[in-house]
Parts: sequence; structure tokens; C-alpha cells
Amino acid sequence: DIQMTQSPSTLSASVGDRVTITCRASQSVSSWLAWYQQKPGKAPKLLIYKASYLESGVPSRFSGSGSGTEFSLTISSLQPDDFATYYCQQYDFSSRAFTFGQGTKLEIK
Amino acid sequence: EVKLVESGGGLVQPGGSLRLSCAASGFTFTDYSMNWVRQAPGRGLEWVSYITNTGSHIFYADSVKGRFTISRDDATNSLYLQMNSLRVEDTAVFYCARTQGRGIDVWGQGTTVTVS
Repeated sequence: DIQMTQSPSTLSASVGDRVTITCRASQSVSSWLAWYQQKPGKAPKLLIYKASYLESGVPSRFSGSGSGTEFSLTISSLQPDDFATYYCQQYDFSSRAFTFGQGTKLEIK
Repeated sequence: EVKLVESGGGLVQPGGSLRLSCAASGFTFTDYSMNWVRQAPGRGLEWVSYITNTGSHIFYADSVKGRFTISRDDATNSLYLQMNSLRVEDTAVFYCARTQGRGIDVWGQGTTVTVS
């Protein structure tokens, strides 16, 4: 199975900061990569799909980039509502298994 | 309103079985592939299983292969997960989730499975 590795596992930042979370795949997943935000006790929310496409209704301060094995999620100016846990997921059909990264917890500094 | 509602969770002994259900509404069920995703207490998300909109392709995580079976009933807009030979480590919130080339764009609220 394709392994997805996120870094960092925890990130401390302040409101207004620009932050980047990285996701690395153990083999190429082309652009079949999504990013999710999850808050405690809630279902995840889709932010980015196909590596760089912003899901409808998601603020434009969120952006995604990358292809192949290296991907990143950037939040351009952190807002109080953005403190949450973020997950990447590869959904390359040919892999026959759609693995998630281990998550990155974004905390208030 | 697009909605996914899971049911069927509960407490089961190790080695037991449970069948989860997911009722879909507000969209054309047959246009979408579906997943089960789980989250153990205090842990990250784990993809469990996937079925295409036609049922022609089915995939499982290695951790559940041979024990879990995903299925769908398009007549009733329902998704199922039959879970056999349950283990303590299967304890989790199980989410029903919709997908079609854009990652998972709709999630249910989750149903809790406790194996103890």
C-alpha cells in the first residue's frame, strides 16, 4: 500500500501567520490528493481535491500544491477557526487503497 | 439536503459480528462511489473500504481484508459494512463517506463501534 507521511505532526502558530503542512507519498499518486480539516467530535471537511482545487465554500486563504509524491497545504493568514487537525489522503484508483496521512494538529501558540 | 446517516454501531465482544448501515439522501446515489472510514479514539483517520457506483470494484484496507465486506443497495440508497471476527483494535467511530474524483466530499456523522 502507498504510505502517506505528513509533517510536522504538530504545528504551533498565531493568528495571522502563514503556515504550510507537507504530505509525502511513498510512490507517485499523480494529483490524486485531498486535504481535510477535522475539529474535535466532528466529521472531517474537504478543503482541497486533486492536489490544488479548492472545494466550493472553502476560504481562499487555503491552497494546495504538488504532484507525484510531494504535496503541501498552505494557509495564508491563520484565522481563529483554522485551529484544527489536518489530514491528507491519496485516492489514486490504481493503488486500490486510499490511505490517509497521520494528521497534523495545528495549535494556537 | 445531501445527507448520510449511519446506524448499527454498538458494543460487541471480540470475535463477534456487526453490520453497519448508511442511509443516503439528497443526491443520486447511483452516481457516486462510497467509502467507509474509521477513527479510533484519539487517533487519526483510517480508510477502511471503497465501492464504485456500479459495485464493479471493491477495495479494502489490509487491516480488514477477509473480515469486512462492503455492499450497496441502490434500490434503497443504502451502503453497508458487514464486520466479522471483530477485534479490540476495531473499536472506532465509523464514517460513511461519498466520493467521486474529488476526494471525500460528504461525510456522515459517524457511528461508534466498541469491541470489548
